[in-house]
Amino acid sequence: GAVVSQHPSRVICKSGTSVKIECRSLDFQATTMFWYRQFPKQSLMLMATSNEGSKATYEQGVEKDKFLINHASLTLSTLTVTSAHPEDSSFYICSARRWTSGVSYEQYFGPGTRLTVT
Amino acid sequence: AQSVTQLDSQVPVFEEAPVELRCNYSSSVSVYLFWYVQYPNQGLQLLLKYLSGSTLVKGINGFEAEFNKSQTSFHLRKPSVHISDTAEYFCAVSDRISGGYNKLIFGAGTRLAVHP
Repeated sequence: GAVVSQHPSRVICKSGTSVKIECRSLDFQATTMFWYRQFPKQSLMLMATSNEGSKATYEQGVEKDKFLINHASLTLSTLTVTSAHPEDSSFYICSARRWTSGVSYEQYFGPGTRLTVT
Repeated sequence: AQSVTQLDSQVPVFEEAPVELRCNYSSSVSVYLFWYVQYPNQGLQLLLKYLSGSTLVKGINGFEAEFNKSQTSFHLRKPSVHISDTAEYFCAVSDRISGGYNKLIFGAGTRLAVHP
């Protein structure tokens, strides 16, 4: 149990186009999901916290108009990179919060999406 | 503000030797501590976590870590490594909130390279 999937696993797009990345919790409902970005050989940087049915909370320095996050259901959050540029090339990882009881929860990570902008 | 320092960017070790990956954190509040492993082009897998209780935490794949509050450390250890342990290891910290833990703050990672 507690599986998080991401689609696509790899995507190559041309500069100036937009690309959408999906994050799904397959066997649980996730009211909260997180989006991270990882540059080569570096750590994960939290980009935003996505809450179902409300606006995402972005970390300082993350452009909300460039990285659009939609959490329309309890099992799906999407990250859209708008007008992508080569500097947006990165590994994007999502995680989903799963309640393990009425008062506690865990985070589970997806396998990541490799975005390459040419 | 919380932060995590992983003291070694790379740790080379021979197969069946013991290994320790070091992690220090800073926080003004009570924290939860985590170790994750990442294999190439994959997401993160939780190795172990410290929430409360015993300071020695045992995780998957034979790994363990010890929480040392006075030294603000959470070092990861394994008594005998395998080639398959070659991966990137991340230490993470989160402050405690009602219901669990807040957003995770990750260290820079330590590349463990196990040689035959």
